[in-house]
Amino acid sequence: EDQVTQSPEALRLQEGESSSLNCSYTVSGLRGLFWYRQDPGKGPEFLFTLYSAGEEKEKERLKATLTKKESFLHITAPKPEDSATYLCAVQDGNAGGTSYGKLTFGQGTILTVHP
Amino acid sequence: EAQVTQNPRYLITVTGKKLTVTCSQNMNHEYMSWYRQDPGLGLRQIYYSMNVEVTDKGDVPEGYKVSRKEKRNFPLILESPSPNQTSLYFCASSIAVGYEQYFGPGTRLTVT
Repeated sequence: EDQVTQSPEALRLQEGESSSLNCSYTVSGLRGLFWYRQDPGKGPEFLFTLYSAGEEKEKERLKATLTKKESFLHITAPKPEDSATYLCAVQDGNAGGTSYGKLTFGQGTILTVHP
Repeated sequence: EAQVTQNPRYLITVTGKKLTVTCSQNMNHEYMSWYRQDPGLGLRQIYYSMNVEVTDKGDVPEGYKVSRKEKRNFPLILESPSPNQTSLYFCASSIAVGYEQYFGPGTRLTVT
């Protein structure tokens, strides 16, 4: 069974205080690992897709990395507008299995950045 | 404008009264999916479809039905809603497996 665990559950930072969010996963065949941002009452908004261990992607103050067991979302010098829930998800890519294409999300990390 | 639309956005109903939540995308996406989001449980996939006439169960399919007769539409049907189906529901679509999902605005369902 595919599983995704995110830590910490909640993170409070001061503006400018860099930190990292963790996403640990198990999946029979990784088709893709996704990071999303979700604001209260809204649908998740796509940030990054990572496909293989060693891959890294950056966008503004965010950088996502991937190993065979986990992914990190690094936030450099965060601003209050970065406050949101960050979600990690894996998509099953085991074409011979019964779960090919299934997406499993973690419970998310609630990030609060204080000015 | 490329988007995923859901209707209704808010719905209050009673136990046992059949309902349908519609989902439509205008991006010619092959992959569509339904999720429910509950406090402390995160987003859980209900059903997904990789193409027309192809649907598969996610992690929490019990009590729900779906159909994919056209590429753009993927309705979620609750034949006999129960209070434990009170939740925030999201529809999403992507070009294909392995690509990012675009989410709709959500449907907040309350079953009394």
